[in-house]
Amino acid sequence: KQEVTQIPAALSVPEGENLVLNCSFTDSAIYNLQWFRQDPGKGLTSLLLIQSSQREQTSGRLNASLDKSSGRSTLYIAASQPGDSATYLCAVKSAGGTSYGKLTFGQGTILTVHP
Amino acid sequence: GAGVSQSPSNKVTEKGKDVELRCDPISGHTALYWYRQRLGQGLEFLIYFQGNSAPDKSGLPSDRFSAERTGESVSTLTIQRTQQEDSAVYLCASSLLWNTGELFFGEGSRLTVL
Repeated sequence: KQEVTQIPAALSVPEGENLVLNCSFTDSAIYNLQWFRQDPGKGLTSLLLIQSSQREQTSGRLNASLDKSSGRSTLYIAASQPGDSATYLCAVKSAGGTSYGKLTFGQGTILTVHP
Repeated sequence: GAGVSQSPSNKVTEKGKDVELRCDPISGHTALYWYRQRLGQGLEFLIYFQGNSAPDKSGLPSDRFSAERTGESVSTLTIQRTQQEDSAVYLCASSLLWNTGELFFGEGSRLTVL
């Protein structure tokens, strides 16, 4: 059974700081890994999608890496801004066993960027 | 439509009543997912569809929950005889390809059972 863990559970940083969010997963048989953000009372917004054959993806100030063999991904946010405050979720799509195609989420990292 | 659409956005019901939640995926998306999110908690997988078949129903909490999908279009999640513990936001997502596709989520349906 795939399990996804995110560290830290919460993070508070001053504006302008670079930061790293971590995600680990137990089963390396995945199709892809996706990072989302969720604002309070809202749905999820897709940030980055990394296919299992890729090592990283970049979008603006965001960079996500994937090391499938070790079951790890990181989301790097450069020059953080108060508008980045949200819950960040990573999710992996399983490629093996009876869970193929299923997306499993971590519990999220609550990020607060203060001015 | 441009995105995943869910209705109703808010539903208040009395314990014991049945409710139907609807999801309209992005046009052409073959895969559709339902998740539940209780207040302050993470996303709980319920069910997903490839086309109109559901390979994995393991997340449905009880036999009071059922879901169906018409072709590669709208899906309905039905909860019978609602209980207070069913109160949550029900989130729907769709993707173009069931294996490698990027998921896009709707805004969710907030269910409150009194």
